[in-house]
Amino acid sequence: QSVLTQPPSASGTPGQRVTVSCSGSSSNIGSNTVSWYQQLPGTAPKLLIYSNDQRPSGVPDRFSGSKSGTSASLAISGLQSEDEAGYYCAAWDDSLIGVVFGGGTKLTVL
Amino acid sequence: EVQLLESGGGLVQPGGSLRLSCAASGFTFSTYAMTWVRQAPGKGLEWVSAISGSGGSTYYAHSVKGRFTISRDNSKNTLYLQMNSLRAEDTAVYYCAKTTVTSYSAFDIWGQGTMVTVSS
Repeated sequence: QSVLTQPPSASGTPGQRVTVSCSGSSSNIGSNTVSWYQQLPGTAPKLLIYSNDQRPSGVPDRFSGSKSGTSASLAISGLQSEDEAGYYCAAWDDSLIGVVFGGGTKLTVL
Repeated sequence: EVQLLESGGGLVQPGGSLRLSCAASGFTFSTYAMTWVRQAPGKGLEWVSAISGSGGSTYYAHSVKGRFTISRDNSKNTLYLQMNSLRAEDTAVYYCAKTTVTSYSAFDIWGQGTMVTVSS
């Protein structure tokens, strides 16, 4: 059971906008920033979003992040077939004194 | 080119030990905290351990505390993970990752991963 809660799956058609939620608590998302990762099959994860809503250079602006209270969301607009991947949220947890990940959301592009 | 290259994975019996290494290049290694993250077959990501740039601060997941030791040699630009008393549930791909300066949960550079299999 992961400390951060994500839906196990999500789906959308090309061009659509999809969101992935990440729910935590006051000791993690509520008091620290959230990061998001994309993991394509058979590859290492890639940082998509850091500090809740910042994109590293090279990440398309179709990807955006937001945070409110103890929850965060990743939005993908203009969905493309290459976006089919696993998506993970992460945050530092002040109680556990470590990083916690969500269980991951598998995104399918129909 | 910024790069991380893990090595040291393999097959080990339950109760055994293994030391993973992660060679860094293309950035000032000592400036950044470093992290180990693992992924069991078919499962999600699990944070394992982190170490500050100087090596003076270390952090561990509850599942590995007391069995794993993270360390670094800044003169060799290398990160290590000493794994003792290994269990079947430690079987996973182990990734080393560079932590950004803004957040201990933001890992902007990842290695390709090294597989650790704990089995008799």
